Amino acid sequence: DAKTTQPNSMESNEEEPVHLPCNHSTISGTDYIHWYRQLPSQGPEYVIHGLTSNVNNRMASLAIAEDRKSSTLILHRATLRDAAVYYCIRVNRIYNFNKFYFGSGTKLNVKP
Amino acid sequence: EAQVTQNPRYLITVTGKKLTVTCSQNMNHEYMSWYRQDPGLGLRQIYYSMNVEVTDKGDVPEGYKVSRKEKRNFPLILESPSPNQTSLYFCASSFGGAQETQYFGPGTRLLVL
Repeated sequence: DAKTTQPNSMESNEEEPVHLPCNHSTISGTDYIHWYRQLPSQGPEYVIHGLTSNVNNRMASLAIAEDRKSSTLILHRATLRDAAVYYCIRVNRIYNFNKFYFGSGTKLNVKP
Repeated sequence: EAQVTQNPRYLITVTGKKLTVTCSQNMNHEYMSWYRQDPGLGLRQIYYSMNVEVTDKGDVPEGYKVSRKEKRNFPLILESPSPNQTSLYFCASSFGGAQETQYFGPGTRLLVL
């Protein structure tokens, strides 16, 4: 989705925090923001999602800007197993239909 | 085990020969969806279904058909495949809300000669 933009790649050191940004400037009021990640040769897997407020789960935190035009996925302590492509996704719901718009993804490289 | 299965996992075919990629889920999910993944273009939604007999087009539906006759199955049909449909295909399912987690299948790699 051209309206959901992410950096192509980022690098982090193991055990350090990682902040993965996403811009979704045309997001509408009812769109959810989801983050998924894809390990090599696998299907995407869920990481976290939010609507307006910041969210935390066991995998990560999601910080959503007050105007909702951007969000940041935070991995608190990157491990080698976190090396993957991270997708920011806008989920648009109209008339009970869910459409998923994927960003192009950020490839995260974690250095030991 | 809760899962989404796709078959076949790999397929080589020729232009114009009809094919079907099956997708099945055992989680009683209402929502099912097909995506294609291409280098530089990321994942794009082809078709999705909100429930039995309820389907709608995603971003890139041209050249594809789907059907949802049973809740657990959502096959993707290529009536006359062309080389530009060479891609990696993923099926996914979830409960119906926009906040729900999608579960993805392992992918089907298709090559159309």
